[in-house]
Amino acid sequence: GQQLNQSPQSMFIQEGEDVSMNCTSSSIFNTWLWYKQDPGEGPVLLIALYKAGELTSNGRLTAQFGITRKDSFLNISASIPSDVGIYFCAGRPPGFGNEKLTFGTGTRLTIIP
Amino acid sequence: GAVVSQHPSRVICKSGTSVKIECRSLDFQATTMFWYRQFPKQSLMLMATSNEGSKATYEQGVEKDKFLINHASLTLSTLTVTSAHPEDSSFYICSARGGTGNTFGSGTRLTVV
Repeated sequence: GQQLNQSPQSMFIQEGEDVSMNCTSSSIFNTWLWYKQDPGEGPVLLIALYKAGELTSNGRLTAQFGITRKDSFLNISASIPSDVGIYFCAGRPPGFGNEKLTFGTGTRLTIIP
Repeated sequence: GAVVSQHPSRVICKSGTSVKIECRSLDFQATTMFWYRQFPKQSLMLMATSNEGSKATYEQGVEKDKFLINHASLTLSTLTVTSAHPEDSSFYICSARGGTGNTFGSGTRLTVV
C-alpha cells in the first residue's frame, strides 16, 4: 500500500537536544497524526492535526499541518530518555467515510548517554 | 480515554495450525476496526478494514481466505490466521475507530514454527 515519506529514518541525539522530523506526501491529506511506538507495543497517538496550517502542541511536542496539506512536521524540545522509540506520521486522505490511515516509514529516535 | 485491548500479546504456533487474535474496544463502540501487520523495523501496513455486521474489505495482496476477519459486535473484531506458515510470523496490530480518532491495541507477536 501507499506510504508517506518520513525523514530522517533514524536520529542519534544527546539528552536535552531538540528533535525535528517530517513527513511528505504526493497527495493531500485531511488529517495528519503523529504516533510513538515503543518496542513490542502498539502506536500511541501524540498529536492530531485537522486543518491546513494548524500548529498544535502537547507538552514538549509541537506538530504542524502543512499549508499544502501534503506535509507535516513534529518537533520535540529538550529530549529526555523516555522519548526513545519510533515515531510515525499518519495521514487520512479526503473522501467521505474514508477512515483509512496511511503510515509514514518511521523515525527511530535514540538518545546517546 | 479510549482503550483497545488486544489478545494474546504473544503466540507461538506450529505450521498448519490456526491462530485467533481478538481486538476489543473497552469503553467505546467501534463501528470500524482495522488490522495491520508490521515486520521488524518497518512501518504498519494495513491488511483489512472491518465494519460491524459486514464483510471485511481487504487490501490488495492480502488473502482473505487466509486472514479471516469477523466483526460481530461494535466492541469486538477477530483476526484468524488460518493454516499458518513461518512467513506469517509478524507483529499484528488492531485499531478501532470511534469518537475522535483511531486507537491502537498493544499488538500480537505471532511466531510460527
